[in-house]
This record gives sequence, structure tokens and C-alpha cells, in this order.
Amino acid sequence: SQKIEQNSEALNIQEGKTATLTCNYTNYSPAYLQWYRQDPGRGPVFLLLIRENEKEKRKERLKVTFDTTLKQSLFHITASQPADSATYLCALEETGGFKTIFGAGTRLFVKA
Amino acid sequence: NAGVTQTPKFRILKIGQSMTLQCTQDMNHNYMYWYRQDPGMGLKLIYYSVGAGITDKGEVPNGYNVSRSTTEDFPLRLELAAPSQTSVYFCATQLTTGGRNEQYFGPGTRLTVT
Repeated sequence: SQKIEQNSEALNIQEGKTATLTCNYTNYSPAYLQWYRQDPGRGPVFLLLIRENEKEKRKERLKVTFDTTLKQSLFHITASQPADSATYLCALEETGGFKTIFGAGTRLFVKA
Repeated sequence: NAGVTQTPKFRILKIGQSMTLQCTQDMNHNYMYWYRQDPGMGLKLIYYSVGAGITDKGEVPNGYNVSRSTTEDFPLRLELAAPSQTSVYFCATQLTTGGRNEQYFGPGTRLTVT
């Protein structure tokens, strides 16, 4: 069956450290993968997109990697801050598809 | 430029009642989506539209209907509300030209069916 999985356990880290979140998928052939941030009571907000032929993408303190052999994407936040505390969702879209499939998200807590 | 707006923000329905969740966008995006999000779960696609006059079912369409008569509006209709439809509903848009594929979400409608 097709699955997109993120760690359901919350991630707790200290301010200034690097947070690493994982997204694994099964039986999909994504054309690209996206990461979104969701704050409580709000809609998701787009952060980064990485295509199947890209290994790594960066934006300020954010970095995403995409390994189509391992069927995994890693999302890194360097020099984390309490304001980074939120739920982070990964999402994929297959080649020729019209639909984006979302993972359940991982809650990140950054302690001061 | 308001982006994606949704109304109402909150609603409580009795079992068997009907309602329409409104979604409007001012970004001229061609694709629009309706998702529901249950606690601790990912977003589940209900219906989507690739342009005015075209709609299609997503993963969980039962109990819902949509229409897309204009680019801007994509209302979601609930007929005969059931407790299983208690959820947070998000509308989203996507511009699929120019190599950009991110989705823009509205603030959500929190619906309780009792």
C-alpha cells in the first residue's frame, strides 16, 4: 500500500541546535516533495520544494534533502529558535498527478 | 490581496443538517482543493478542481459535494451532516504554471457535528 510517514513523536530540542525531521514514503514515485509549517489553529504555510532530480535545497536556515533510493526526505532547521516551534508537514506529488499527498506531520518544540 | 479566505471560521451543526463552507481566492490560481484534517492526522483530500467547471473526487469525498463556476470560488457542500464529519476543513489553491507548485491554504473552518 502507499504510505507517507513522519515521526509521530514530538521532537524536543534546545535553542541553537539543529532540528532534523524525517519523511519516508512507500510505493510512490514523487515528481517533487514539499515541506510546510503549520501553527496551531492555522493553515499550513509552504516552506520548501525539492524535485526528484535534486539532492539538496537550502533557504536561509532551512535545508531539505531528497534520496529517491532510500525513499526519504530530511528537513533540517539550523540554529533553531523557540519561534520555530510548530508542526512540520511533508507532502509529495507524483509525476502527472493532480493531487498532493500529505504526511501527518511532526511536532517540533524548541526550548530556550 | 487577501489570498485564500474561508467562511465561517467555526460552526456547530446538528446531525442531519446541511451547510456550505465558502472558499474564495484572489490570486487567479487554476487549481483549488478541499482538505479535512482530523487531530493528529494528515490532510485528507476531499475534492479538487483544475479549473472553472471541472471538479473531481479526492480520497474522502463521501458526504460532500463541490462546484466551481468561477476561478475564484470553490464552495464545499455538506448534506446530512454526521458526527464523522467533525473536523477542520482547509481550502487551498495552487498555480501550476511557471514551475511553482506550492499550495496556499486558507485559515480553515472548524466544524463540529453533534
